[in-house]
Amino acid sequence: KNEVEQSPQNLTAQEGEFITINCSYSVGISALHWLQQHPGGGIVSLFMLSSGKKKHGRLIATINIQEKHSSLHITASHPRDSAVYICAVMANNDMRFGAGTRLTVKP
Amino acid sequence: NAGVMQNPRHLVRRRGQEARLRCSPVKGHSHVYWYRQLPEEGLKFMVYLQKENIIDESGMPKERFSAEFPKEGPSILRIQQVVRGDSAAYFCASSPLGGWGTEAFFGQGTRLTVV
Repeated sequence: KNEVEQSPQNLTAQEGEFITINCSYSVGISALHWLQQHPGGGIVSLFMLSSGKKKHGRLIATINIQEKHSSLHITASHPRDSAVYICAVMANNDMRFGAGTRLTVKP
Repeated sequence: NAGVMQNPRHLVRRRGQEARLRCSPVKGHSHVYWYRQLPEEGLKFMVYLQKENIIDESGMPKERFSAEFPKEGPSILRIQQVVRGDSAAYFCASSPLGGWGTEAFFGQGTRLTVV
């Protein structure tokens, strides 16, 4: 079992839908990051969380340290949100990554 | 995300050649991380460097791979005698402080193809 599990693996949505991507981890962490990777492109760090909730535009990230779970929400999704979203955790000075969630938003 | 520059963006090498990948961190950042993303796989940590020091290289293959981050100039990831299995995207990230408790900024990656 991977230490960082993401679900779903693939997600297809219609433009305007509310999107949720989940991340569960099994190790103690000091921080959790949500990353966005566009097809053939680089990686953008969306959020860094150690507790609570953060919002940036249409993106919201939450973390529950006790339950070892984080969610990334996208409100009013748009085709340009289509990308792979990766959960990454910092544990014992080591970075562990989820396998990513491939999101496709159709117009 | 602006500021981390990786070059080249694409690199083709024949088996047995050397590959040198460069990463210039955000100005003022003294911590650099290298990651590898194999085709259809997730990101894997390779090495964490601070200026002139390797902090953690637990993700680096023991042979043929080396990394440095000199006092002046970019961080270099060097792969000697490349093999087909080295074909991957290599990403660099930098941060102003150590560890991932701070924001990390990623480069666009170098896509290495070994033919």
